[in-house]
Amino acid sequence: DTEVTQTPKHLVMGMTNKKSLKCEQHMGHRAMYWYKQKAKKPPELMFVYSYEKLSINESVPSRFSPECPNSSLLNLHLHALQPEDSALYLCASSQAGTYGYTFGSGTRLTVV
Amino acid sequence: DAKTTQPTSMDCAEGRAANLPCNHSTISGNEYVYWYRQIHSQGPQYIIHGLKNNETNEMASLIITEDRKSSTLILPHATLRDTAVYYCIVRPGYNQGGKLIFGQGTELSVKP
Repeated sequence: DTEVTQTPKHLVMGMTNKKSLKCEQHMGHRAMYWYKQKAKKPPELMFVYSYEKLSINESVPSRFSPECPNSSLLNLHLHALQPEDSALYLCASSQAGTYGYTFGSGTRLTVV
Repeated sequence: DAKTTQPTSMDCAEGRAANLPCNHSTISGNEYVYWYRQIHSQGPQYIIHGLKNNETNEMASLIITEDRKSSTLILPHATLRDTAVYYCIVRPGYNQGGKLIFGQGTELSVKP
């Protein structure tokens, strides 16, 4: 298995809702990442997990809450989002060494 | 990590070689040059990386100048499916769980 799987592919949520994005990989990668991408912009790093521990938080608002329950799973819990949080959310994983990152196809989030 | 400079956009005729330049004049000795591409609405895809020697794989070739201050990604026979945004990124290669920071990239349009 050489893929990063993200679910759901599309999500529409209200500003008072709580939802979660899920990311899964079975490549044995011990680092996992969340990125946010707005239209016509490059991906922006949000969080980095290394060996299931949060190692980097790029000053992301607390309405975004990451969780890494095990080495294969990464969740992003969403609460009280704003319409400007609408974006493509990308998950990636990597292994130690010079290897490239493997990205999922993303979750397209719309906040209404 | 060192900054990179890429042209905003480029065109290429189908079947011809696409040569995408990248300047990274402040690159450090332990930093690798990575190339990723992102086809519309998909996650970024790793293409190739190198330290100082030229590299080739099934997707592309990477030419790094002797002083390592610039590089060129070569797609030898571009097809319409190569239309994408191409990102040149410089970062330490050993760094698991470190940052992969995207710049603005080059939007390559392959035309019939």
